[in-house]
Amino acid sequence: DAGVTQSPTHLIKTRGQQVTLRCSPKSGHDTVSWYQQALGQGPQFIFQYYEEEERQRGNFPDRFSGHQFPNYSSELNVNALLLGDSALYLCASSRRGQGRIRNIQYFGAGTRLSVL
Amino acid sequence: DQQVKQNSPSLSVQEGRISILNCDYTNSMFDYFLWYKKYPAEGPTFLISISSIKDKNEDGRFTVFLNKSAKHLSLHIVPSQPGDSAVYFCAAAYGSGNTGKLIFGQGTTLQVKP
Repeated sequence: DAGVTQSPTHLIKTRGQQVTLRCSPKSGHDTVSWYQQALGQGPQFIFQYYEEEERQRGNFPDRFSGHQFPNYSSELNVNALLLGDSALYLCASSRRGQGRIRNIQYFGAGTRLSVL
Repeated sequence: DQQVKQNSPSLSVQEGRISILNCDYTNSMFDYFLWYKKYPAEGPTFLISISSIKDKNEDGRFTVFLNKSAKHLSLHIVPSQPGDSAVYFCAAAYGSGNTGKLIFGQGTTLQVKP
């Protein structure tokens, strides 16, 4: 059973460019969340997708956008890259609709983005 | 505003001894807490969780304690093993049902010496 997979593993971009990161959730999961982890910090929530719609959003500018496809996979897009966008981007998947049972988020290995 | 704080950036313990990692939070709305472990070049791996209706949850060598009045939780690892050396993050969530937004602490690097 494949876990959460992310691509690419590493990416180098220059300021002002646009980037797209991809995530395939764990089998059986229908919800995808994206996090940004700066060096020495904990992951910060960007947004969450369920049923192809953004359901929750953290404190990130509109330059950060996403998409979820019918097969539950997801993309994170960042426009007009800034040096400060350099970070590890983590995707997490979970299964929704379990009532009072909390569903654990499982993480991929991340995409390391460097903006020069 | 850091709602979840791990005030110890690092911790070093001897193999076989107890490791205690601490986490404080400020938002009284949090009702679910998780611990994740992260090795270099890997994503965070779920370890153990606890609901706010409990004060303790145990899974093998790992036990999480929750003190709601103090807004404090801790992770105990007994006995500690060299393979436990990693960065540990606590995270918090609120709202019923599915876990939505997780709010993470800054992490504590645990080193277990043989």
